[in-house]
Order: sequence, then structure tokens, then C-alpha cells
Amino acid sequence: NAGVTQTPKFRILKIGQSMTLQCAQDMNHNYMYWYRQDPGMGLKLIYYSVGAGITDKGEVPNGYNVSRSTTEDFPLRLELAAPSQTSVYFCASSPEGLNTGELFFGEGSRLTVL
Amino acid sequence: AQRVTQPEKLLSVFKGAPVELKCNYSYSGSPELFWYVQYSRQRLQLLLRHISRESIKGFTADLNKGETSFHLKKPFAQEEDSAMYYCALRGTGGFKTIFGAGTRLFVKA
Repeated sequence: NAGVTQTPKFRILKIGQSMTLQCAQDMNHNYMYWYRQDPGMGLKLIYYSVGAGITDKGEVPNGYNVSRSTTEDFPLRLELAAPSQTSVYFCASSPEGLNTGELFFGEGSRLTVL
Repeated sequence: AQRVTQPEKLLSVFKGAPVELKCNYSYSGSPELFWYVQYSRQRLQLLLRHISRESIKGFTADLNKGETSFHLKKPFAQEEDSAMYYCALRGTGGFKTIFGAGTRLFVKA
């Protein structure tokens, strides 16, 4: 199993450009998440999904969109990039069920907006 | 509101010394608490969870509901413990996990 795979690993965007961060998992997990990691701020939840076709906002959803058309994929879309979106983005997945809750993370995508 | 607070951004100890990374939480209910660790150039990964009451790599953490704390402890720190540690909380029956700001542990030889 590859686990959680994120692409790209690095990207530089100009203000106002759009892009999609890809995330795929091969563990058949229903739950998937996008976090951003800013220095000294920890991880902030952007969006999450509890299954195909179901998404919901996290703590910091503004400026982002997601979709979940399959169990495996959970792309994160930035429509109009802003310098405040410079961050490291982590995708994670989690199995369903009681007493689980463990998140499996991707390697991260470092995004710089200039 | 749910909140996780890790008061120390950086903790530096000598090898062999005890280490305690502090975590306090705010949640109106019975949460699930976790410690995640990120070693240099590795993915963020689960270290331990309170519900398992286990010791992983010599680390333990006890949930203190009265003090709303979930401090991570190890009696004798090793150099390989140097990493970024995050305390995390998930509400009972919930799907969202929120994280603290993290504590960077540096174990000196």
C-alpha cells in the first residue's frame, strides 16, 4: 500500500492563479481531511469528508474548495491564490469505526504564493 | 469550543533526562486524545492515543479529566526522540481532529 499520496510536493504560484492539490489513498478509508500547517500555529483543518459525495468545512475553509467523487480521491482547489495561503498542506485519511480516530498523513505539499 | 493548547514551542533536554510535553484541552464532553510525532523528513504519524493506555517508544500519556490535560512523558530521553510533537483531540462520535500548535523537542547529547 502506498498509503496517502499527495501531489505536487512543491509549487510556486503567483497571486490570483488557481491550482489543485491532489490527494489519493489506497486504504479504503471513508474519512479524508485537508490541513494546513503554518509555523507556530500547528495544523488547521480546512475541509473534511466522511465519504464519497460528502464534504464539510473545517476551521479555515475560506479560499478553498474540495470535492469527493470517489472514496480514493480528495482534491483541494485554490481558486484565487493569495500570499496568506502560503503554507504546507497535508492530506490525511482515517478508517471508520469506533475507537479508531488515527489519521494517516501524506508527505505534504509546500505551496508558496508570490 | 474545542481547543488544544501546547504551551511550549520548544523544549530542550539532555539525553537521559526526563521529559514532559504539556497539553491542555478544552472540550465539553469526553474527547479522544492523541499524540502525533513528526521526525525529520518523515510523515506525521500517530505516537499514542489515550484510549489504548499504552507505552510507545517509552512514552506514556495520562488523560487527566479534572485538569483537562494529556501530558506526554518519558523518563529517559534519547537523541532519536528529537522531533515535533502534536497533541490532538477528537470529539466523541465526531469526525474532526484538531491539533495544538506543536512542541519541538530537542534532545542534546
